[in-house]
Amino acid sequence: DIQMTQSPSSLSASVGDRVTITCRTSQGIRNALSWYQQKPGKAPKRLIFAVSSLQSGVPSRFSGSGSGTEFTLTISSLQPEDFATYYCLQHSSYPLTFGGGTEVGIK
Amino acid sequence: EVQLVESGGGLVQPGGSLRLSCAASGFTLNNYWMHWVRQAPGKGLVWVSEIHSDGNTVYADSMKGRFTISRDNAKNTLFLQMSSLRADDTATYYCARSTNGFDYWGQGALVTVSS
Repeated sequence: DIQMTQSPSSLSASVGDRVTITCRTSQGIRNALSWYQQKPGKAPKRLIFAVSSLQSGVPSRFSGSGSGTEFTLTISSLQPEDFATYYCLQHSSYPLTFGGGTEVGIK
Repeated sequence: EVQLVESGGGLVQPGGSLRLSCAASGFTLNNYWMHWVRQAPGKGLVWVSEIHSDGNTVYADSMKGRFTISRDNAKNTLFLQMSSLRADDTATYYCARSTNGFDYWGQGALVTVSS
C-alpha cells in the first residue's frame, strides 16, 4: 500500500496568510494526486487534480505542485470561507489512499 | 447538472446487513468508474470500493468478502451491499464519480452499527 503522510495535521492562520500543506507518498505516483476541501457535515469537494490542475469554479488562490513523492497545496491568501479540512488522495495504485487531513483553523 | 444522491443508511445491529443506493443524474453511470468512500465520525476519508465501466470491481482489503459494489444501468444507480457489519463500519458513506480522482460526490449516508 502507498502510505500518504500529510502535514501539518492542523494549523492556525489569519485571513490573508499564505498556507502550505504537504503530502509525501511512500513511493512515486506519477501525477495521480488530487486535493479536496471538506467543511463540517459536508461532502468533500475537489480543488486540484493531476497534481496541479485547478478544478473548474475553484478560486485561483488555490494551487498545487510537486512531483515524485512530495506534493503541495498552497492557498495564496487565506479567505474566511477557506477554514476547513484538506485531504490529498493518490489514485496511482490500489488501495487508493488519502492523507490524514489538515485542519485549517482561525488564529 | 451532475448529481449523486445516496440513500439507505440507518441503524443496524452488529452482524447485520444493509444496502446503500446512490442515484445518479446528469450523466450515464456506466460510462464512468464509480467509488464508495467512507468516513468514521471525526475521522479521515477511507476508500472502500470501485466499479469500472466494464463491471470489474475492486475492494479495500478490510471490506473484501463483506461488501459488494454493483450498479443498475437501467436505473442509473450504484449500490453497496454490506454484510457482517461491525461497530467499526460505523461511518458516513459517500459515492463518488472518478475522473482523475473524484470529481463529484454524493451528500453521504450515515450507517450506524450498534446493538
